Amino acid sequence: DAGVIQSPRHEVTEMGQEVTLRCKPISGHNSLFWYRQTMMRGLELLIYFNNNVPIDDSGMPEDRFSAKMPNASFSTLKIQPSEPRDSAVYFCASSFTSGSSDTQYFGPGTRLTVL
Amino acid sequence: AQTVTQSQPEMSVQEAETVTLSCTYDTSENNYYLFWYKQPPSRQMILVIRQEAYKQQNATENRFSVNFQKAAKSFSLKISDSQLGDTAMYFCAPPNAGNMLTFGGGTRLMVKP
Repeated sequence: DAGVIQSPRHEVTEMGQEVTLRCKPISGHNSLFWYRQTMMRGLELLIYFNNNVPIDDSGMPEDRFSAKMPNASFSTLKIQPSEPRDSAVYFCASSFTSGSSDTQYFGPGTRLTVL
Repeated sequence: AQTVTQSQPEMSVQEAETVTLSCTYDTSENNYYLFWYKQPPSRQMILVIRQEAYKQQNATENRFSVNFQKAAKSFSLKISDSQLGDTAMYFCAPPNAGNMLTFGGGTRLMVKP
């Protein structure tokens, strides 16, 4: 079975540019999570979707960040405009949730560098 | 916010030896799962083991086992017969509210030949 798929794997962009990260969750999973990992702050949850609906976006740093999940098989995380401090590894994870928390399976991550 | 403490930023162990990584946490959840993930240099986040809080028995997965003390909110990971491939960052992940997890700061484990 295919795991969580993320694209691109690496992204280098210049400050001020728009960046879009993409995620395809595992088929049948109903929860999707976007995380950001940096040396300074570790692994942070940005936003959590359940059944395509954003449930908690309290981790989204600021209005420059937005996330969508138009259907059960696709999600995007957009940064507009990007800044050097957004440089990090961004992970997408999915799970099948039926009450209490269940196992999250992670994608390979997207390493974003903003110059 | 929930808190997770992994008090050992770095550890090393000789190949074939046993090592224990500690984790303490704070949660208001009652029925929940706890997880240990590993992140090797490839940076892929890989599930190591899962514990269900309502189960008395500690989870075991091959060479990996946990010591779960619910009242003390402690969740340590024991790796037996350590292998070079176990070299990685290890993250403890107890629950936050609902289906969300809170990740600890990680323990960097080096297995030496």
